[in-house]
Amino acid sequence: GENVEQHPSTLSVQEGDSAVIKCTYSDSASNYFPWYKQELGKRPQLIIDIRSNVGEKKDQRIAVTLNKTAKHFSLHITETQPEDSAVYFCAAQDSGTYKYIFGTGTRLKVLA
Amino acid sequence: GAVVSQHPSWVICKSGTSVKIECRSLDFQATTMFWYRQFPKQSLMLMATSNEGSKATYEQGVEKDKFLINHASLTLSTLTVTSAHPEDSSFYICSATGLGYSDTQYFGPGTRLTVL
Repeated sequence: GENVEQHPSTLSVQEGDSAVIKCTYSDSASNYFPWYKQELGKRPQLIIDIRSNVGEKKDQRIAVTLNKTAKHFSLHITETQPEDSAVYFCAAQDSGTYKYIFGTGTRLKVLA
Repeated sequence: GAVVSQHPSWVICKSGTSVKIECRSLDFQATTMFWYRQFPKQSLMLMATSNEGSKATYEQGVEKDKFLINHASLTLSTLTVTSAHPEDSSFYICSATGLGYSDTQYFGPGTRLTVL
């Protein structure tokens, strides 16, 4: 089955700097990779996703890149703001069952 | 967008009692719903997958007789924690996908269960 690793587990950046979170997956057949942001005690919220037929996707300050050959994908947040502080989870959708396999999460702290 | 609600948002119960949590898709038909549990500072762990009108598929290590899942309609799934114990205390979150949303899971707000 699919296995997803996520790094780093914690990340502190100064406001205005960029943040990068990386994930690797094991199942080459996986074809959908969403990223979720979760604030303390709240539901995970989809912030961006990418499908395997695309190498990069951007939405304002957020971008995701996918390298199918290396089986890794990354979240890039530019011009970080304090409200970006949260836990970010990557996931890979299992090709056979459509289940999500989540990474372990990255706690991002943006310092004002 | 797709909206998923969950009820109750929090519940406190005594050890040995049963608790039912409801998950509803408000503006779409949820062909598949997923139930997760999340311990503090940890990731989401999938408990089971439920498809409307059929039995839930449980992940390895999840007791199906303890965590009863029913997906009786395209807008409602329920999770019943039977004979709850303090170790069942956790944040339970459902998600749903539906027609036209086959990839993306939309999450409910979660239910915080505390078993005394």
